[in-house]
Amino acid sequence: EAGVAQSPRYKIIEKRQSVAFWCNPISGHATLYWYQQILGQGPKLLIQFQNNGVVDDSQLPKDRFSAERLKGVDSTLKIQPAKLEDSAVYLCASSFRPSAGVGTDTQYFGPGTRLTVL
Amino acid sequence: GENVEQHPSTLSVQEGDSAVIKCTYSDSASNYFPWYKQELGKGPQLIIDIRSNVGEKKDQRIAVTLNKTAKHFSLHITETQPEDSAVYFCAASDYKLSFGAGTTVTVRA
Repeated sequence: EAGVAQSPRYKIIEKRQSVAFWCNPISGHATLYWYQQILGQGPKLLIQFQNNGVVDDSQLPKDRFSAERLKGVDSTLKIQPAKLEDSAVYLCASSFRPSAGVGTDTQYFGPGTRLTVL
Repeated sequence: GENVEQHPSTLSVQEGDSAVIKCTYSDSASNYFPWYKQELGKGPQLIIDIRSNVGEKKDQRIAVTLNKTAKHFSLHITETQPEDSAVYFCAASDYKLSFGAGTTVTVRA
């Protein structure tokens, strides 16, 4: 079974530029998550999709971050404009169960995209 | 929201010894407690999880214990090997995962 795919693996941009990350979840997984992991910290949930609908985006900085999951499969996360404090690894994860209580379902993580903002 | 604290932040053990990592959580509604291992340049990988109706779970050299009354849970790794060196994260979830800050485990050969 193929795992969660993410691209690019690395990205270096200057502040105020825009950047986009792509995620392809495990086939058949209904729920998709984007996390931000700052160096030395645990992952922090940014947004959670169930199929193509948003379940939780309470910690997404909506003035600069946006995400979409068209057709309930792939997803993109965009930052515009980027700030220095956005330097982090952006992790995508997916889980299978589409029902309530999805937060207790096993999440499988991709390798992440390391973003450096100069 | 949920707050998860994890200790210690770093742990160095001799190969063959045991390693123990402890976590506490704040939200009594949390009912799912996974542990993830993250190697350099990779995403977190689930190594074991426990749900609130179970007090202990074991998988070969790895075990997890849960005390819901005290709101803490622990990871135990026995007979440590060099390949166990990594960052370990605990997490707690009622409807979404909240992670601890991580423990860097180094196994000395």
